[in-house]
Amino acid sequence: GAVVSQHPSRVICKSGTSVKIECRSLDFQATTMFWYRQFPKQSLMLMATSNEGSKATYEQGVEKDKFLINHASLTLSTLTVTSAHPEDSSFYICSARGRREVRNTIYFGEGSWLTVV
Amino acid sequence: AQTVTQSQPEMSVQEAETVTLSCTYDTSESNYYLFWYKQPPSRQMILVIRQEAYKQQNATENRFSVNFQKAAKSFSLKISDSQLGDTAMYFCAFTHSYGGSQGNLIFGKGTKLSVKP
Repeated sequence: GAVVSQHPSRVICKSGTSVKIECRSLDFQATTMFWYRQFPKQSLMLMATSNEGSKATYEQGVEKDKFLINHASLTLSTLTVTSAHPEDSSFYICSARGRREVRNTIYFGEGSWLTVV
Repeated sequence: AQTVTQSQPEMSVQEAETVTLSCTYDTSESNYYLFWYKQPPSRQMILVIRQEAYKQQNATENRFSVNFQKAAKSFSLKISDSQLGDTAMYFCAFTHSYGGSQGNLIFGKGTKLSVKP
């Protein structure tokens, strides 16, 4: 089956620094990738949708200058948390949708734990 | 706006017994997909079962089956012969169908299921 890989699985960074999380589709071309944030004991909240080669579409309330999303290729999307603060600490998870042959299924990455100290 | 409601924050079931998780949704669209995802402590999102709205037949995957009531906008998950490994958060999710492809997933708040030995 299709596989989506996220890296790193866990990252600790200092307040004020930036951190990048990668989301890769390993065996299919991901035309669209979705980035979610999940707080403890809560559901997944969509942050943004990115289509290959175009700017990401952010959900209301998500700061696009703080959460930079790049989808430069059909197999890679990145989420960069800029000037991270402790309140950005959370679980971030991506998902990917492929071209026609896998278009009816969205595949999730393993998620990334971000801790800002 | 589309919404997904899971009215049971927590449920428990004895091993080998059957449990039903409830989900209702609200949409004005006619073409959409419904899903149940399982999220174990590892946080990996695992697709349990999927239902296309245009299909009247309820989806079934081994011990997992759904009761899809389109008019009532209800989509419950039945787990038969519950196993200890079924212990997890279960999320009901909805997405529109855009020419057969999926849009972003909208999640319910989740139901924490505990299977007791």
